[in-house]
Amino acid sequence: DTGVSQNPRHKITKRGQNVTFRCDPISEHNRLYWYRQTLGQGPEFLTYFQNEAQLEKSRLLSDRFSAERPKGSFSTLEIQRTEQGDSAMYLCASSLGPNGYTFGSGTRLTVV
Amino acid sequence: SQQGEEDPQALSIQEGENATMNCSYKTSINNLQWYRQNSGRGLVHLILIRSNEREKHSGRLRVTLDTSKKSSSLLITASRAADTASYFCATDKENTDKLIFGTGTRLQVFP
Repeated sequence: DTGVSQNPRHKITKRGQNVTFRCDPISEHNRLYWYRQTLGQGPEFLTYFQNEAQLEKSRLLSDRFSAERPKGSFSTLEIQRTEQGDSAMYLCASSLGPNGYTFGSGTRLTVV
Repeated sequence: SQQGEEDPQALSIQEGENATMNCSYKTSINNLQWYRQNSGRGLVHLILIRSNEREKHSGRLRVTLDTSKKSSSLLITASRAADTASYFCATDKENTDKLIFGTGTRLQVFP
C-alpha cells in the first residue's frame, strides 16, 4: 500500500485519558500535515512538518496537543487529558512540495 | 478559521445533470485545489489550478478561477450516483505551505 496510512481508524476514550495517533505518509513525501474535522465542517489545519521540522502550529493546537515526526518519516499526534470537545476526525496528509495533498482515511476519536 | 466558503451548502440533482459548486476565498493565493470526500473517509485530491490559470479540465471536471473576484467554480458534467460526496475547495495563502479548506458542498446525485 503506497498511500497515507493512519492508525487506529477509530478510538473511543474516556475523558481525561491520553491518546496517540500515528500517520505513515507516502515515503518520498517530505511534507506532512495534521488536520481536524468535525461533522459538517471542512478540515481545520493543526500543524505541519517539513521533514522532521515542525514549521507551523495552529492556535487550535492547545498545550494538550503535541505532534512529532522524529525521523522525518512517520508522525504521531498525542492529545493529553482528552475532553469531549476533542471528539473529531483527525486527518493526516502528505505532499511532495506545495502540490496536491494525499490524505489518509483518518482516525475518528470519540471522547466519552 | 476557514479561508473559503462553498456555495451552495447542499445540492441535489438527477443523474446526467451537471453540478456546479462555487468557492470564495479571502486572501491572495498561489493555487486553489478541489477535493472530494465520501462520508466518513479521507479527502481525495481532484484538481489544482494555479493563480495564473483561468480554467482547467480533467475528465468530467471543469474548474475556473477568477482571482479578481477571489472565486472559483467546479463543474461536474453528466453526473453519476457515484459522484455523491462532499466537495471542498482549498487554498494556500502566499508564502505559506498549508492548505485552508472551505466549508464544503454536499452533493447528492439521485439515480
